[in-house]
Amino acid sequence: DTAVSQTPKYLVTQMGNDKSIKCEQNLGHDTMYWYKQDSKKFLKIMFSYNNKELIINETVPNRFSPKSPDKAHLNLHINSLELGDSAVYFCASSLTGGTSFRNYQETQYFGPGTRLLVL
Amino acid sequence: RKEVEQDPGPFNVPEGATVAFNCTYSNSASQSFFWYRQDCRKEPKLLMSVYSSGNEDGRFTAQLNRASQYISLLIRDSKLSDSATYLCVVYLSGRRALTFGSGTRLQVQP
Repeated sequence: DTAVSQTPKYLVTQMGNDKSIKCEQNLGHDTMYWYKQDSKKFLKIMFSYNNKELIINETVPNRFSPKSPDKAHLNLHINSLELGDSAVYFCASSLTGGTSFRNYQETQYFGPGTRLLVL
Repeated sequence: RKEVEQDPGPFNVPEGATVAFNCTYSNSASQSFFWYRQDCRKEPKLLMSVYSSGNEDGRFTAQLNRASQYISLLIRDSKLSDSATYLCVVYLSGRRALTFGSGTRLQVQP
């Protein structure tokens, strides 16, 4: 039973296109995240949502727009794709997302990743 | 200076060896600490939390030194299946996000 799922797993597209990645978690967590892992394997947070409210919005081009229809879903829409957007995008969720000092509540569970290649 | 720094490796060790990874973090207000493991082409998964008094989980021991802002992971009796990238992760409540190091790659050889 998948805890955090993402679709699609692979995405190959042309520069200038618009694409979306979907994420769902069935853990009952309040907080969801999007991370980007570049070719150097560095994992960097992009956004987080707590109960459908945007909490973190790192320095990310505004071509990237997250949408959270409910607390179990966090989608990522990317407009006008560029070559530099090629990376692996991971969705994650955690129980509380920043309101607790307890390690187990801040533990994040990751989806399998979406490998995006922009040609 | 990076918020979380790790030696990228790779660490190439024979089966049965003991190997230690170190990590330093820059923000003294960091509150929670973790080690995650990432296999090739897979997602990161929690290996263990790191507590102030140090903690052990089977062959894995984690230590935290808040004064030096230093975290370590010790793996005893390495197995082939331990081959992966180990990510040092720090949580700062004011930022409400985990900050990941760039990872240390371990290759255990037969």
